[in-house]
Amino acid sequence: SYELTQPPSVSVSPGQTARITCSGDALPKKPAYWYQQKSGQAPALVIYEDRKRPSGIPERFSGSRSGTVATLTISGAQVEDEADYYCYSTDNSDYFVFGAGTKVTVL
Amino acid sequence: QVQLVQSGAEVRKPGASVKLSCKASGYTFISYAIHWVRQAPGQRLEWMGWISAVNGDTKHSQRLQGRVTMTRNTSASIAYMELSSLGSEDTAVYYCARNHYHSGTLDYWGQGTLVTVSS
Repeated sequence: SYELTQPPSVSVSPGQTARITCSGDALPKKPAYWYQQKSGQAPALVIYEDRKRPSGIPERFSGSRSGTVATLTISGAQVEDEADYYCYSTDNSDYFVFGAGTKVTVL
Repeated sequence: QVQLVQSGAEVRKPGASVKLSCKASGYTFISYAIHWVRQAPGQRLEWMGWISAVNGDTKHSQRLQGRVTMTRNTSASIAYMELSSLGSEDTAVYYCARNHYHSGTLDYWGQGTLVTVSS
């Protein structure tokens, strides 16, 4: 079955840049999506189709994709950005998978 | 405004079934699919499957094949997810989410339903 690989954790100081990678064999053909989940809350979409930002998501969140790796970048991370971040994609458009999640700590 | 409101918490014994609901409002129900995602305590998000609201087509995670049934009531704008042969590993928060067809965009989520499986 298809897998997306993420680092378990990323730690940055406030104002620094946090980068979270997501590796998957089908990413050259299928876009990546990124979801933020704060403690005790439902997930929320922060990036769709590799690099598009939904309305209401701060500009410091950006996405990119190169080959088999998609990257979520938080430029100038804030304390309120502490959360688990999951990448999400598919290898065939019918079946989807989440990565294992990356815990972002800002302190 | 778009809302997905899920049914309340459930407790089941091992081997039983549970049927959860997800009532949509604020948009045209058949214009989007509904995905179901669950999260066991302290664990990652797990994609369960999706149902097309317009024609009822479904796709399920192979891990759950044979145990999960997704249906919908278009007149009431409600999606349902039934999981059978429950085990302790099915204890989780279950989410429904609105999906743009043929994409991974899950733009609105329900509040989640906690299902506890315990003898």
